[in-house]
Amino acid sequence: DVKVTQSSRYLVKRTGEKVFLECVQDMDHENMFWYRQDPGLGLRLIYFSYDVKMKEKGDIPEGYSVSREKKERFSLILESASTNQTSMYLCASSPWAASYNEQFFGPGTRLTVL
Amino acid sequence: AQRVTQPEKLLSVFKGAPVELKCNYSYSGSPELFWYVQYSRQRLQLLLRHISRESIKGFTADLNKGETSFHLKKPFAQEEDSAMYYCALNSGGSNYKLTFGKGTLLTVNP
Repeated sequence: DVKVTQSSRYLVKRTGEKVFLECVQDMDHENMFWYRQDPGLGLRLIYFSYDVKMKEKGDIPEGYSVSREKKERFSLILESASTNQTSMYLCASSPWAASYNEQFFGPGTRLTVL
Repeated sequence: AQRVTQPEKLLSVFKGAPVELKCNYSYSGSPELFWYVQYSRQRLQLLLRHISRESIKGFTADLNKGETSFHLKKPFAQEEDSAMYYCALNSGGSNYKLTFGKGTLLTVNP
């Protein structure tokens, strides 16, 4: 059973703080993704990684960075949190290659920036 | 650029009624299409993918390349079908990214 876990379910930070969101998957998947989910906007891809130390920008990378030092772990970093980054953040993973492969999602982290 | 459109933000039906959640896409190649579902307080999960041509929980979806649509259908809705539904597209090849629609919140009333 694929498990994608995220370090926190709820997080409250202050404007300007550096924020780390952690994601771990236990199925040896090559691909990992970070999305933000906002009502009326659906899921928007922030960054993804297809291998250790490899990353690519998604559709809304501004204000975010990522780190993938180990295959199972993918971190999302908000360098200086702002109120417009208040959102639900979803991590996902999938096996390499085939485009029809399912993405497996974590439970999400609801981040509030005050 | 690829795009997924779900025209209905909200859809409300009565139990036992047919339900259709619309999804249209914009992509010039041969896309892979998916439906993902998120039940209340649960994580987002795959419902079905067009390549599998399967029925999951009574839902089916047919890819219509002429109309660039991938509508999700169920002949008799159940209360447990109430959830947020997202249509997603992968442009294929070595592209691992999914493009999601904005979602449709389905409510099935008793």
